[in-house]
Amino acid sequence: AQKVTQAQTEISVVEKEDVTLDCVYETRDTTYYLFWYKQPPSGELVFLIRRNSFDEQNEISGRYSWNFQKSTSSFNFTITASQVVDSAVYFCALSEAGNTPLVFGKGTRLSVIA
Amino acid sequence: DTGVSQNPRHKITKRGQNVTFRCDPISEHNRLYWYRQTLGQGPEFLTYFQNEAQLEKSRLLSDRFSAERPKGSFSTLEIQRTEQGDSAMYLCASSLPDLNTEAFFGQGTRLTVV
Repeated sequence: AQKVTQAQTEISVVEKEDVTLDCVYETRDTTYYLFWYKQPPSGELVFLIRRNSFDEQNEISGRYSWNFQKSTSSFNFTITASQVVDSAVYFCALSEAGNTPLVFGKGTRLSVIA
Repeated sequence: DTGVSQNPRHKITKRGQNVTFRCDPISEHNRLYWYRQTLGQGPEFLTYFQNEAQLEKSRLLSDRFSAERPKGSFSTLEIQRTEQGDSAMYLCASSLPDLNTEAFFGQGTRLTVV
């Protein structure tokens, strides 16, 4: 069975600090896909990244970076130099091969304080 | 096309009433998903469609829940005989049929059953 665990329920940082959001997943498939979504106060889930299980290369997009480690079943998300606009709930999600629907973690609420 | 559209944004209903929500996906997206999100939790998958075919409905929470996508475009989610426990955010998402591509979400319909 597939499962996503986001152990950090809430994180609060001061603006310009770096912050890492943890994501640990469980799956029996060898082919799977991992995602991160952002949910700002408006409620709409915003897609951030998709990564397949065969690509362990870390990715950087502006202030965002992702660290995928199959050995520890983790797909962590780091925001560098956080800004107030980064305040939101962030969800990690998993989809197994065959286009199965996303399974989400419970999310981490990030508050960035000016 | 500006994204996935859901109507209404908010719905307050009395216990025992039926409610119907509508989702208009991104026009070229064949797949359409319904999720439910309760406070402090990640989205929970309910059902999904490939064009007009409902590919998975075993996760619908009870037989009071049903969904349709009659012409492969917009979809409706109906809840009959609502209960207070049905109060939640109902999210719709759509995606291309490519393998495990990212899903794009609407802003959701917040249901309150009183």
